[in-house]
Amino acid sequence: EPEVTQTPSHQVTQMGQEVILRCVPISNHLYFYWYRQILGQKVEFLVSFYNNEISEKSEIFDDQFSVERPDGSNFTLKIRSTKLEDSAMYFCASIAGLAGANEQFFGPGTRLTVL
Amino acid sequence: AQTVTQSQPEMSVQEAETVTLSCTYDTSESDYYLFWYKQPPSRQMILVIRQEAYKQQNATENRFSVNFQKAAKSFSLKISDSQLGDAAMYFCALPRSNDYKLSFGAGTTVTVRA
Repeated sequence: EPEVTQTPSHQVTQMGQEVILRCVPISNHLYFYWYRQILGQKVEFLVSFYNNEISEKSEIFDDQFSVERPDGSNFTLKIRSTKLEDSAMYFCASIAGLAGANEQFFGPGTRLTVL
Repeated sequence: AQTVTQSQPEMSVQEAETVTLSCTYDTSESDYYLFWYKQPPSRQMILVIRQEAYKQQNATENRFSVNFQKAAKSFSLKISDSQLGDAAMYFCALPRSNDYKLSFGAGTTVTVRA
C-alpha cells in the first residue's frame, strides 16, 4: 500500500541552525501539506502546496519557513534559523484530489528538537 | 473560519466497554466531511472514520461509529468493545472544501484499562 514517508524521524539541532525536513508524498497525489504538533497540543496547519506553489500558509509560517518540491517527488520544509519554540512534531500529508471524502494521508512525522 | 472543539482532554474505559468522545464544530459550508483520526504513541496519524455531511446515516467502521448531528454541529465517536490497542489520542478534524486544509480539535487521550 502506498504511503507517505518522512526523513529524518528525529532531528536535533541548535537554535539558529537551518533544518530541512523531507517528505515523499504518495506518487499520484497532487496536494501537499505540512502540519505541526507541539508536544501534547493540537495539530496545526502550516502550509499547503499545489502545482509547485504555496496555496495557503498559516500565521505560523513566517519568513523563516519555506517549502519546495525540487524534483517532483520530494516535498521539503526548511526552517532557516530555528527557535526553541519550533520544537515539535512535523507531519507531511498528501491527498490525491479535492473531491469527495478524499483522505489526507499522513507521514509518520519528524520530531524536531531545538536546543 | 472553521473551528473544531473537543472538550474532553482524557477519557478512560475498561477493556470491552464502550466509550464516546465528543466533538463540536463550526463551519459556514453546507456540504462537508468530518474525520476522526487516531494517534497512537508512535505519533502516526491514522484515519479511523469519516462522515459525509449530506448523508443522514451515521458512519460505521467495525467497532467505531459516529453520532452525527448536523443541526447541532456535533460529531461524536463511539468505540465499542474497547481493546488495549485503542489506547491513543483521538482527533476530530474538519477539512475545508476548497483545499482540504484540516482543522483539528485539541484531541482526547483514551486510556484502556485491562
